[in-house]
Amino acid sequence: IVMTQFPATLSVSPGERVTLSCRASQSLNSNLAWYQQRPGHPPRLLLYAASTRPPGVPARFSGSGSATEFNLTISRLQSEDFVLYYCQQYKDWVRTFGQGTKLEIK
Amino acid sequence: QVQLQESGPGAVKASETLSLTCSVSGGSLSGYYWAWLRQPPGKAPEWIGRIFYSGTTDYNPSFKSRVSISVDTSKNELSLKLTSPTAADTARYFCARQGLSLGYFDLWGQGILATVSS
Repeated sequence: IVMTQFPATLSVSPGERVTLSCRASQSLNSNLAWYQQRPGHPPRLLLYAASTRPPGVPARFSGSGSATEFNLTISRLQSEDFVLYYCQQYKDWVRTFGQGTKLEIK
Repeated sequence: QVQLQESGPGAVKASETLSLTCSVSGGSLSGYYWAWLRQPPGKAPEWIGRIFYSGTTDYNPSFKSRVSISVDTSKNELSLKLTSPTAADTARYFCARQGLSLGYFDLWGQGILATVSS
């Protein structure tokens, strides 16, 4: 399953709300996860089952979507949010990731 | 608190085998899948394969027969071997935990950069 994230880079201002998109080449139902990755660190799980936050993930991170179209929304952007975000499908046993969206400060 | 730590040679020649180990501390291997993933510089993560604590494995077909993953429950470790590496295998290699009946990775090691040279 091919995962496509867009745009590759988003320029936004701190305090704003932003939506990142992820598209799958076939239906995933809700078998999608989102990760955040800071430079020099491993990916950190943000959401699973498209919209469920693990313990410790701030409520400003939310997810929506199903089938082939998914969104990650970050409300009230903080300085530490300007990093890389990846989506990952687990509908197919061969797990695949999108190419990532980088958030940069406008 | 469960922690994962990768170790192994940071450099390997193309004629050798890339061998890495992941040590799991603060918890048991039981009840989880344990995966290896890699991330070339500036690119997205790529799933290599996984092993259940009992030893059952699944591999990404893109690696064909070059990869093997094993587990040593007595040492709480898992290992990755990649044969015939090329420069395209230069990447940061991560081990990660995957829950049963789940497909996402909730815990990751810091990763280790492995560079393949000719």
